[in-house]
Amino acid sequence: SAVISQKPSRDICQRGTSLTIQCQVDSQVTMMFWYRQQPGQSLTLIATANQGSEATYESGFVIDKFPISRPNLTFSTLTVSNMSPEDSSIYLCSVTGTGGFRSYEQYFGPGTRLTVT
Amino acid sequence: KQEVTQIPAALSVPEGENLVLNCSFTDSAIYNLQWFRQDPGKGLTSLLLIQSSQREQTSGRLNASLDKSSGRSTLYIAASQPGDSATYLCAAVNNAGNMLTFGGGTRLMVKP
Repeated sequence: SAVISQKPSRDICQRGTSLTIQCQVDSQVTMMFWYRQQPGQSLTLIATANQGSEATYESGFVIDKFPISRPNLTFSTLTVSNMSPEDSSIYLCSVTGTGGFRSYEQYFGPGTRLTVT
Repeated sequence: KQEVTQIPAALSVPEGENLVLNCSFTDSAIYNLQWFRQDPGKGLTSLLLIQSSQREQTSGRLNASLDKSSGRSTLYIAASQPGDSATYLCAAVNNAGNMLTFGGGTRLMVKP
């Protein structure tokens, strides 16, 4: 079955720095998404990662703060820029579409736990 | 804008009990509804997906139902076990089939 991996699994960063999170799928998928889960909260969609074009951001999220790349159908990155303690969260990528996944059912990576000090 | 609510927020039961988790959504124009499990500090595991044309789905001891007209879904867990302890999240999928709106989750503790 298809596998979704994220790197790093966790990190502790200083405020003002940036971190890039990678999401890799071992087969091609139609859509990739990035979510944020703040401590004790549910998941909020940050953006849809579009292959070869700019990501589609949800209200409250901007490209300067969360630049996203998706160079192909199996890989995406999310960068958290100029971090502050409020960015401490779990960041999760999810996928849907072909490549061993049932259509329209979303599957999630293991998440990246980010702590900003 | 879709809003998803889960009740209760937390639940503690003794092992062996059958239990029901509730999920309600405000916009009935959904493509499907998905239930997930999340263990502490981990990602999400997909449990069940119910298409908008379906009434229920079953997987092992889990049964999920969907009533679009009333904006409700329930997850039934039979003969609960300590290993079922986790947070259960429901998510409504929009009509384009691509965007999930999550509820706040139900944190379940099953005591031995």
